[in-house]
Amino acid sequence: GQQLNQSPQSMFIQEGEDVSMNCTSSSIFNTWLWYKQEPGEGPVLLIALYKAGELTSNGRLTAQFGITRKDSFLNISASIPSDVGIYFCAGQGSSNQFYFGTGTSLTVIP
Amino acid sequence: NAGVTQTPKFQVLKTGQSMTLQCAQDMNHEYMSWYRQDPGMGLRLIHYSVGAGITDQGEVPNGYNVSRSTTEDFPLRLLSAAPSQTSVYFCASGRQGAQYFGPGTRLTVT
Repeated sequence: GQQLNQSPQSMFIQEGEDVSMNCTSSSIFNTWLWYKQEPGEGPVLLIALYKAGELTSNGRLTAQFGITRKDSFLNISASIPSDVGIYFCAGQGSSNQFYFGTGTSLTVIP
Repeated sequence: NAGVTQTPKFQVLKTGQSMTLQCAQDMNHEYMSWYRQDPGMGLRLIHYSVGAGITDQGEVPNGYNVSRSTTEDFPLRLLSAAPSQTSVYFCASGRQGAQYFGPGTRLTVT
């Protein structure tokens, strides 16, 4: 199946710091999605991107659809303890299938 | 709206038993899908449907069956459970370009 490489695998940061994570694909995607998952819960959609170069914000979160259409980036500014969780990227190409990255585990130290 | 609902929340099966995981959505979404989530492997697509009466295989379909008789419901059937099917199962629904997840079913096969 399609491989999405998500990095970093885990992050430990101080409260107030900014966070950056990215996702790369071996194929071109038409849609990039970013999710957050907390323990025992399903993934929650944070941001959806539909156009190469698109930059979209949701509060302190900003995501970008890479120009090559093979990558996407998520930034979190001024992190707070409730940002803790696992962040997943997902991409959809010309098929109806979505492919997911393996996740970035974020720990925020107060 | 209840969104995406899944039942049961937890299930323990013995090897060889069969069961159906239920998924329902009340958002009139055409697209529905089933994923399994295993440690370190992200979310992998099992089966998906782009509308009532239409289903297709995802990345890991073996051992699972689905049907889509209505827009609202998309049950996942395990015909003969195996220990390798121990996982957390998520159902998702959406329109073109985005998916919304249910709370998950944690399945253990002994």
